[in-house]
Amino acid sequence: DGGITQSPKYLFRKEGQNVTLSCEQNLNHDAMYWYRQDPGQGLRLIYYSQIVNDFQKGDIAEGYSVSREKKESFPLTVTSAQKNPTAFYLCASSRGGKTGWYYGYTFGSGTRLTVV
Amino acid sequence: KNEVEQSPQNLTAQEGEFITINCSYSVGISALHWLQQHPGGGIVSLFMLSSGKKKHGRLIATINIQEKHSSLHITASHPRDSAVYICAATRNYGGSQGNLIFGKGTKLSVKP
Repeated sequence: DGGITQSPKYLFRKEGQNVTLSCEQNLNHDAMYWYRQDPGQGLRLIYYSQIVNDFQKGDIAEGYSVSREKKESFPLTVTSAQKNPTAFYLCASSRGGKTGWYYGYTFGSGTRLTVV
Repeated sequence: KNEVEQSPQNLTAQEGEFITINCSYSVGISALHWLQQHPGGGIVSLFMLSSGKKKHGRLIATINIQEKHSSLHITASHPRDSAVYICAATRNYGGSQGNLIFGKGTKLSVKP
């Protein structure tokens, strides 16, 4: 079955270290998204990509970086510049384009990052 | 003020009760989504609607475009319905057209 795989489910890192979260999809979706979830807050958009080799900053991109070298993969790096990296990170995908949203979104199971 | 507002924030019900969760939005949207997030964190899409009403099993979602309001109803609630229900809207404006904006979620707990 097609879907989105995020790994790992739980991740612990020391303060000051960069860490990369994996997101892979086999849905042939053009668009992929990274969201951050904090307690008591709605999901917020970090970065999104509508096509391979192109990506755009979302609402809270500072301290994060992404790449989109393959259609299937959209890894997120949480850098040491991110002041409050401990959070739940969710990846999603959709068909993309101006009307791709019409077909809905698929979400991953998330990665809970704890920085100590 | 958030662009997508949900109420209530927390909801406790007895098994069998009829449940309503509300969502209001203040921006232009292409569609309204209802999502379910279980304790493990993964999110499942329940409904996507741009007008009228949709039904799936015991779940019903409605939207009133003029009033910019949507509701999610659960009939004959069951403990397995316990989860966080999230309202999200697909933007139809600006540079982030097509992206989702989320409400803060409603944590539902159904007691046996």
